[in-house]
Amino acid sequence: EPEVTQTPSHQVTQMGQEVILRCVPISNHLYFYWYRQILGQKVEFLVSFYNNEISEKSEIFDDQFSVERPDGSNFTLKIRSTKLEDSAMYFCASSAVGAFTEAFFGQGTRLTVV
Amino acid sequence: EDQVTQSPEALRLQEGESSSLNCSYTVSGLRGLFWYRQDPGKGPEFLFTLYSAGEEKEKERLKATLTKKESFLHITAPKPEDSATYLCAVQASSNTGKLIFGQGTTLQVKP
Repeated sequence: EPEVTQTPSHQVTQMGQEVILRCVPISNHLYFYWYRQILGQKVEFLVSFYNNEISEKSEIFDDQFSVERPDGSNFTLKIRSTKLEDSAMYFCASSAVGAFTEAFFGQGTRLTVV
Repeated sequence: EDQVTQSPEALRLQEGESSSLNCSYTVSGLRGLFWYRQDPGKGPEFLFTLYSAGEEKEKERLKATLTKKESFLHITAPKPEDSATYLCAVQASSNTGKLIFGQGTTLQVKP
């Protein structure tokens, strides 16, 4: 069964360092997303990406964040200068031909900023 | 502002004891309502999509229903393996696929 794959599963970084979280969406999907979940809180939308550009971003997704689809299979989230409050689970998701079909999520990357 | 509220926050059931989880939403133009299951430390796992009031979907012991203001996830004769957090999410009228999640209901089913 096709699945969304995320690496690494856990990343520990020092405050102020750059991190790149990686995702391989389901192969025939066209819409890609990043969400985050701070421990004990809701899953929050960060950004959606379609046709090689950002289609929507939340207030959380400020200038410290960027996304890229460097090739035909990978989708990355970069945080340029991490803060303690960036510690969270980050989920990548993808959906098929229309934005209104269900999104499938990866298992997440747990980011810990120390 | 688009908003999703789930109740109860936590629910403990005995195996075989049926119950319902509630998801209330306010959204500017509902495109779809989604139910996901989330196990600890894992990503949300898709269960159902509902698009219009009156629609119902079933999968094993789970049945989801939708009205104009809320959705219910009915769990019939649950088993311990149904223990998880159940998340409700809505897609509003924007065409970007963005999901707005509720805080979830954590279900524990005791044998």
